Amino acid sequence: ETGVTQTPRHLVMGMTNKKSLKCEQHLGHNAMYWYKQSAKKPLELMFVYSLEERVENNSVPSRFSPECPNSSHLFLHLHTLQPEDSALYLCASSLSPGQGADEQYFGPGTRLTVT
Amino acid sequence: DAKTTQPNSMESNEEEPVHLPCNHSTISGTDYIHWYRQLPSQGPEYVIHGLTSNVNNRMASLAIAEDRKSSTLILHRATLRDAAVYYCILRDWNAGGTSYGKLTFGQGTILTVHP
Repeated sequence: ETGVTQTPRHLVMGMTNKKSLKCEQHLGHNAMYWYKQSAKKPLELMFVYSLEERVENNSVPSRFSPECPNSSHLFLHLHTLQPEDSALYLCASSLSPGQGADEQYFGPGTRLTVT
Repeated sequence: DAKTTQPNSMESNEEEPVHLPCNHSTISGTDYIHWYRQLPSQGPEYVIHGLTSNVNNRMASLAIAEDRKSSTLILHRATLRDAAVYYCILRDWNAGGTSYGKLTFGQGTILTVHP
């Protein structure tokens, strides 16, 4: 596999469920990101990990819990979500997040529906 | 990050050139100009970036005004696969602090390509 992969591609969960989104990058990058894209709204950055250390938490509710066990894998653990959390969740990776010329590579996203 | 302004939508015919404009009148001297696009049901895709000089790659060309207050993404021969939302984003050369790794997406330009 190449690039950035995300699983599952689609997820339906109830408000009391616990689920996890997985992201894997095969690009040798140092940083990984979670973004949220709600209907009719621009993409919003949620979390940034650089060399497996969280460097940015963009005021995200605690019901979203990220985990980065190594530079190739990123998880987003979900629990007690609300219907307004339904969105497309995108993972991205990049080589040099502190540089303005850095390019981010995105996965296809997980379409999450909270019922 | 400084703000960018793009038209909400543009249309083109297949195999014709497309010029997508972006205004960034408050750009600072250290801001890179990035372009990403998002095809339907996919994650965003890096297209091109530049600082001062015009840039070309296999996907597109980026023309940057001499005063850097505007730029134009050029698709030399549009295809149906180029139909997407195109985002123009500014990033400081040293993206530290709260800007670390952050891409700030706006609404972008919806490009429609007619056969």
